[in-house]
Parts: sequence; C-alpha cells; structure tokens
Amino acid sequence: GAVVSQHPSRVICKSGTSVKIECRSLDFQATTMFWYRQFPKKSLMLMATSNEGSKATYEQGVEKDKFLINHASLTLSTLTVTSAHPEDSSFYICSASLGGGGNQPQHFGDGTRLSIL
Amino acid sequence: GQNIDQPTEMTATEGAIVQINCTYQTSGFNGLFWYQQHAGEAPTFLSYNVLDGLEEKGRFSSFLSRSKGYSYLLLKELQMKDSASYLCAVRDSNYQLIWGAGTKLIIKP
Repeated sequence: GAVVSQHPSRVICKSGTSVKIECRSLDFQATTMFWYRQFPKKSLMLMATSNEGSKATYEQGVEKDKFLINHASLTLSTLTVTSAHPEDSSFYICSASLGGGGNQPQHFGDGTRLSIL
Repeated sequence: GQNIDQPTEMTATEGAIVQINCTYQTSGFNGLFWYQQHAGEAPTFLSYNVLDGLEEKGRFSSFLSRSKGYSYLLLKELQMKDSASYLCAVRDSNYQLIWGAGTKLIIKP
C-alpha cells in the first residue's frame, strides 16, 4: 500500500518552456502532498506543501509564481515549472503521507529529472 | 535554528555491520525517520522511532535517544545492494520534516 506515482520521470526541454509534473497517490487519499527539489549529492530541499482544496504553502525563497502548485483532488497534485531556465534543472520529487498520526512516513514518487537546455 | 548532522560518507565491507549516526537539534520532536536513497532514485522509507530504544526490522535496526538528540541506523550482514545514501529526518513540533544531508554508504567486496 501507500504507492505514489510521479510522471514524467524525465524531461528535456528548451529554455522558456513550461513543464508540468504530476504526483498521484494510487491507493490512498492524500490531503497533503510535498514537493522537493534535490541537487546532485545534496539532501532534499522542501519547496512547498500542497494542500487539497487550498493554496500551497511555499518555503522561504521559493517563487510561487515560478513553481505553480495545484492540488485539485485527494489523489493528484501538480507542479508546473513556468518559463523554465537552465538553473531550474534538477531532480524534483513529490511525496505524500497517509495523514493522521505522526508516525506516518512520507512515501515518495520516483522523481522527475528535469533538464533545461 | 534546526539542524540534523550525519557523516557525509562511510565505507564498509560486504557481510559486515555498519552504524550510521544522526544527531539533531530541532524545535520539538515528533518522530525520527530513516530513508534509503539509491543514486538517481527517490527515497524509500526504512524505519520510524518516536520512543527511546531500538526498533529492529530484519537486517536493519534503528535506535533513538531523545534526551541526547541522537539516533543511529544499524545495518547487518551488508550486501552490495545496500550501497546507497541514508537520510535521517526529524519531524518537528509543527510536524514538518527536517532532513539531514544524507550519508553515502559504500560497500566493498
């Protein structure tokens, strides 16, 4: 149980393109999903917390107009990198938890490797 | 500020035992998680500790001392496939996960 699917796994596109990444909880409902960014050999950096039916909560330094998050249903959250530039190239990972008690771990999607040329 | 410390890299031999330490200073504590992350892949959940003591799960065990702000992940009978990064994460008083930078474990034959 607790499977999170992320799509696409890899994107290569030109500078200026907007890229949408989907994160789905396949066998559970996720009130909250999380979006992370990870640079090579670095730890996970939380970008934003996505709440179903409300606005996402962004971490300090993350541009909300650059990284648009939509969590329209209990099983789907999307991250759109708008007008992507080479510095946006990174590994983006989403996660979701079953909610409830604090002992619920976050379950991660397989990640999306974004390369902007 | 909040901080999680783990060694950057460790090397161990196949079949041996290795202990990866994690110390933390956070605003509140609501549990500590260990994750495994292979290169180029997303993290996978290994263990959860919220009370002091040892949690054993097969070849992996995790220990917590809340008074010392300390945890370790113990891996026994190491296999080559255990080569990965191991991430320590603490859930603070706001239930936000604070992540360590990860420990890269290299297993040699």
